[in-house]
Amino acid sequence: GDSVTQTEGLVTLTKGLPVMLNCTYQTTYSPFLFWYVQHLNEAPKLLLKSSTDNKRTEHQGFYATLHKSSSSFHLQKSSVQLSDSALYFCALTHNSGTYQRFGTGTKLQVVP
Amino acid sequence: GPKVLQIPSHQIIDMGQMVTLNCDPVSNHLYFYWYKQILGQQMEFLVNFYNGKVMEKSKLFKDQFSVERPDGSYFTLKIQPTALEDSAVYFCASSSGLGGRITGQLYFGEGSKLTVL
Repeated sequence: GDSVTQTEGLVTLTKGLPVMLNCTYQTTYSPFLFWYVQHLNEAPKLLLKSSTDNKRTEHQGFYATLHKSSSSFHLQKSSVQLSDSALYFCALTHNSGTYQRFGTGTKLQVVP
Repeated sequence: GPKVLQIPSHQIIDMGQMVTLNCDPVSNHLYFYWYKQILGQQMEFLVNFYNGKVMEKSKLFKDQFSVERPDGSYFTLKIQPTALEDSAVYFCASSSGLGGRITGQLYFGEGSKLTVL
């Protein structure tokens, strides 16, 4: 069946450093991948989405490229800010799916 | 932007009681979902709903759970009776379903935190 794997539970970084949060997936269908960000006590909000192979998508300084060859959709930012501290979820669906399947989430903690 | 409203934001009840969580999805959205999140961790799919019917439910959607959206009003999640393990934050989400596609982004509400004592 379908699955989404986020390997890091917690990432702690100093402000200004680059970050990469890993997301890999498994599906036999053509995938649609999403990154959602959830700040403390708030609703998850869409950060990025893609279904196009090898095309970089960007929003609010974050970027990700869907690589179907490696089944990956890693989230990156070149310089993290204190306000980026949040929980980040990778999610997967496809045209034959009925819902988005979420990974376990990665908590990003940015310190001064 | 589009908003999903959830009522109540917090509910504390005794084990065995019934609870109804209410969701007002984004206007004109066609697909509705409930997800369960424990302790700020994984978002786990419970159920989705389209055209007045449940499309799919996960193994977490126990027999004590039910959903409905009578006549376009609130999309509700009812738990009867509640158990201790039902304590969690329940998020409602909706998606537009434009062109019959389920692959659009989800819009989430702020969550309903349920505490079962």
